[in-house]
Amino acid sequence: DVKVTQSSRYLVKRTGEKVFLECVQDMDHENMFWYRQDPGLGLRLIYFSYDVKMKEKGDIPEGYSVSREKKERFSLILESASTNQTSMYLCASSPLDIYNEQFFGPGTRLTVL
Amino acid sequence: GESVGLHLPTLSVQEGDNSIINCAYSNSASDYFIWYKQESGKGPQFIIDIRSNMDKRQGQRVTVLLNKTVKHLSLQIAATQPGDSAVYFCAVNRDDKIIFGKGTRLHILP
Repeated sequence: DVKVTQSSRYLVKRTGEKVFLECVQDMDHENMFWYRQDPGLGLRLIYFSYDVKMKEKGDIPEGYSVSREKKERFSLILESASTNQTSMYLCASSPLDIYNEQFFGPGTRLTVL
Repeated sequence: GESVGLHLPTLSVQEGDNSIINCAYSNSASDYFIWYKQESGKGPQFIIDIRSNMDKRQGQRVTVLLNKTVKHLSLQIAATQPGDSAVYFCAVNRDDKIIFGKGTRLHILP
């Protein structure tokens, strides 16, 4: 079974804090993705990566950065958290050249006060 | 740009009946159309996809119908069970990135 794990299920941070969201997958997948999910807006792609040290901007990258130092780990970084970044964050992975079937983690619900 | 939308935010179906979840899309250039299911407290889970040159594809208890003339996609679930209770997202593949619609919540009535 493919397993995608995220470091926290719930996280509460203060405005201006630097926030790290970690994602690890155990299936040796090349592709990894970060989405945020908001009511009424569905899932929106923040950043993605097709290989170690590689990153590409998704549809809403502003206010975020990512790091992929190892194949199995993809980190999302909020340099200075703001209240409008309160959301559910979902990480996903997929094998090389497979994009339709992504395997998602359980999500991290981040609240920024 | 690409947009994917569902017709109804919620749908209630009697257990044992068939469910039909509808979706409309705007850009015909997508190669694939995709359905995901998200159960409460979990991440989305891939159900099935259909290539744009196909009209129909069947999986286990699910059927996808694609009508390119009216840019409409539907997911049919046969003999709906309590475990089918979830939010269903239609999506399109655009340049190897998935664009998700907003989701339809499927309620199963006993």
